Formats: sequence, C-alpha cells, structure tokens
Amino acid sequence: EAGVAQSPRYKIIEKRQSVAFWCNPISGHATLYWYQQILGQGPKLLIQFQNNGVVDDSQLPKDRFSAERLKGVDSTLKIQPAKLEDSAVYLCASSSDRVLAKNIQYFGAGTRLSVL
Amino acid sequence: AQTVTQSQPEMSVQEAETVTLSCTYDTSESNYYLFWYKQPPSRQMILVIRQEAYKQQNATENRFSVNFQKAAKSFSLKISDSQLGDTAMYFCAFLDGTASKLTFGTGTRLQVTL
Repeated sequence: EAGVAQSPRYKIIEKRQSVAFWCNPISGHATLYWYQQILGQGPKLLIQFQNNGVVDDSQLPKDRFSAERLKGVDSTLKIQPAKLEDSAVYLCASSSDRVLAKNIQYFGAGTRLSVL
Repeated sequence: AQTVTQSQPEMSVQEAETVTLSCTYDTSESNYYLFWYKQPPSRQMILVIRQEAYKQQNATENRFSVNFQKAAKSFSLKISDSQLGDTAMYFCAFLDGTASKLTFGTGTRLQVTL
C-alpha cells in the first residue's frame, strides 16, 4: 500500500511570492489533513477535509492560505503572498473512515518551505 | 481546548539501554486517544504506539510500551533495548474522541549513542 505522497520536498521563495504544495493521500482514505510544523514545535492543524468538504479550517490564515480537495482525492495548499513567518514544514496526513482505523493518521514526508 | 506538554526537550540513551519519555495532557473529555509519533530526520511522522483512554491496559508494541495514568493525565513512552535507529524526535499527541484533530506536544529529541 502506497503511503501519503507530497511534493515538492523543498521550496525556497522570496516573501510576497506565491507557492503551492500537493498531496496525494493513501488510496481510499476519506479524510485529509494539512499541518504546519514550525521549527522546534509540534505540527499544528491548518485544515481538515472529509472527502471534498471542509470539516475544520479554524486555524487556517484565510487571508493568505487556501486549500482545495477536488474530487475528494488529491489536495493542494497554496500560500499567496508568503511571509517570512510561513517558513515551516507542511505535512499532509490522511485517515480512513473504517471504524477500527478511523483515529490513526498517516503522514507524508512533508514539504520544507523557506521564505527569504 | 486540549493541551499536551512534553517537559524534556532532549534526552540521550546508550544503545541497548531503556529510556522513558514523559508526556502530560489536559482535557475535560472522557473519550479520547493518545499517540506517540516518531519523526526522524526524513521528517515523516511515523506512528509508534496508540492508547485508547477507555482501556486500562497499557499498550505495547515490541520494544515500545506506555504507562498510561488516566487520573494523573500522564502518558509516558518507554523504549527498551534502544537502537541507533530510534534516534529521532518523539511527539506525544492527543485526539478528542468526538473529533479527529490531533494536538501535539513540542517534542522530545532522543539521541541513541554507542
């Protein structure tokens, strides 16, 4: 079974530029999550999708961050315009709706963003 | 809101020895789940062990076991027979039973030495 795929692995941009990250969850996983992990901290949830609908985006800075999950599979997270404080690792995770597996989230390797 | 506290920023253990990582949490919920995730330099979060709050028996996974003290809201991870490959950041995480939002601690960096 393939894991959660993310790309790119690294991205360096200048402030005020835009950037997009892509995530492909584990096949059949209905729930997809985007986390932001700032250096020295634990991941913080940005947005959660159930199929192609948003369940929780309360911590997403909506003035500059946007995310979509078209067709309930792949997802894209975008930042426009980027700020210095957006430098972080962006992790994607997915989980199954099956009862016994529902509470386990599987993570991708993340995208490390550096904003200069 | 739930909080997760890991009070040990860094720990070191010799190969083959045993080490315990601490975690405390705060919640008013009665139904929840606790996790330990490992994050090696590759950055991928790997699930180490999971504990359901309603289970009194402590979870074990090979060399990894937990000491779950519900009343004290404590959830420590014991790694036995430490291996060089155990070197990583370890995150304690809390999951509310009615939602699926993981709340992570700040992590403990574990170094296994020869």
